[in-house]
Amino acid sequence: QQQVKQSPQSLIVQKGGISIINCAYENTAFDYFPWYQQFPGKGPALLIAIRPDVSEKKEGRFTISFNKSAKQFSLHIMDSQPGDSATYFCAASRGGATNKLIFGTGTLLAVQP
Amino acid sequence: NAGVMQNPRHLVRRRGQEARLRCSPMKGHSHVYWYRQLPEEGLKFMVYLQKENIIDESGMPKERFSAEFPKEGPSILRIQQVVRGDSAAYFCASSPQEEAFFGQGTRLTVV
Repeated sequence: QQQVKQSPQSLIVQKGGISIINCAYENTAFDYFPWYQQFPGKGPALLIAIRPDVSEKKEGRFTISFNKSAKQFSLHIMDSQPGDSATYFCAASRGGATNKLIFGTGTLLAVQP
Repeated sequence: NAGVMQNPRHLVRRRGQEARLRCSPMKGHSHVYWYRQLPEEGLKFMVYLQKENIIDESGMPKERFSAEFPKEGPSILRIQQVVRGDSAAYFCASSPQEEAFFGQGTRLTVV
């Protein structure tokens, strides 16, 4: 029940294309769903986060879509750029955060020029 | 405002030695979390601390691992008698309330 399942494991997208990464969870007590971006040798950096009271959140080229009934959420990167090439992790936590985050296994994104 | 500071960035220990990893949270943040990342895997929660208190250590191995966050100074993750399986990246995160900000990590290699 504590797992967050992430797919795909890796993704190759052409420059300008849309990158889509999906996550699914089981624990209905989760109420905070962030996405993190990690470059090699660096720590994860928060990209965007959503709560289950909204179905979509957009910040620049990054959009989270959230489907509460299906217990799924996804990250869309519009107009993908080579600089977006990184590993992306979804995560979930409950109880107002303070943040025991349960992470997905990560998606390695490569954006080809 | 400096970010979450972790040191050392890289640490090499022989089997059986002790490893001490330090984390200074962002100014004003009173919550510290430690996560471990094995190669090609996601981050796994280890422990959540507030000043002088361990709030949740459900992800900590029962033996050899301990953590503290004293009233003064950085949070310390201590691994005694390290084994090769302890080789990983250890990340610290701090949080004022909701958003977690991660440090650059300490990459521990046990030889």
